[in-house]
Amino acid sequence: QVQLQQSGPGLVKPSQTLSLTCAISGDSVSSNSAAWNWIRQSPSRGLEWLGRTYYRSKWYNDYAVSVKSRISINPDTSKNQFSLQLNSVTPEDTAVYYCARGRSWSYYDFWGQGTLVTVSS
Amino acid sequence: EIVLTQSPGTLSLSPGEGATLSCRASQSVTSSFLAWYQQKPGQAPRLLIYGASSRATGIPDRFSGSGSGTDFTLTISRLEPEDFAVYYCQQFGNSPPMYIFGQGTKLEIK
Repeated sequence: QVQLQQSGPGLVKPSQTLSLTCAISGDSVSSNSAAWNWIRQSPSRGLEWLGRTYYRSKWYNDYAVSVKSRISINPDTSKNQFSLQLNSVTPEDTAVYYCARGRSWSYYDFWGQGTLVTVSS
Repeated sequence: EIVLTQSPGTLSLSPGEGATLSCRASQSVTSSFLAWYQQKPGQAPRLLIYGASSRATGIPDRFSGSGSGTDFTLTISRLEPEDFAVYYCQQFGNSPPMYIFGQGTKLEIK
């Protein structure tokens, strides 16, 4: 059974960097059949895909256009986890952030528990 | 950019009844990239249906998905008390790669 365990701060100041980590058990971040995603949810924006990282002989990343200029998703093979960094946050980035395993380029079958991140001074 | 519109916004039904939830895409989409999720308060979404009609592991057979092109349906026959939740459809688009969610349908107890 795949499990995703999220960690990271729940409060970030405006203009600073939001950083979250998703530890994977039951699968590998280097899997050739999965992609590792970050998704957020807020009342104003609903469920919003942020980006993904995946390994297919080399590492690839895809990011949502809305955050492309300030996002980075990185794998850590030594710890079997992946991370999210979102720079220059504003209160609009306040949301519950989820990590999720993507399969067949089309759906998410396992999700982390979610982390409420509030952007406030 | 594809937009997914779910209807109705809220559906009020009683246990034992059947439910039909709709997801309409602004342009034709690939059925193999259409999924449905259930979300309860304080929980992450749970995968119900992928490829428009395939049930995910452990999902009861009272949940079924259908549709093609721009119109997709999630059907729940014989509602159980644990089925009252918010349901989302989701589509993957390839140029550029992106995942799109509908705004959700809240299924509430009447």
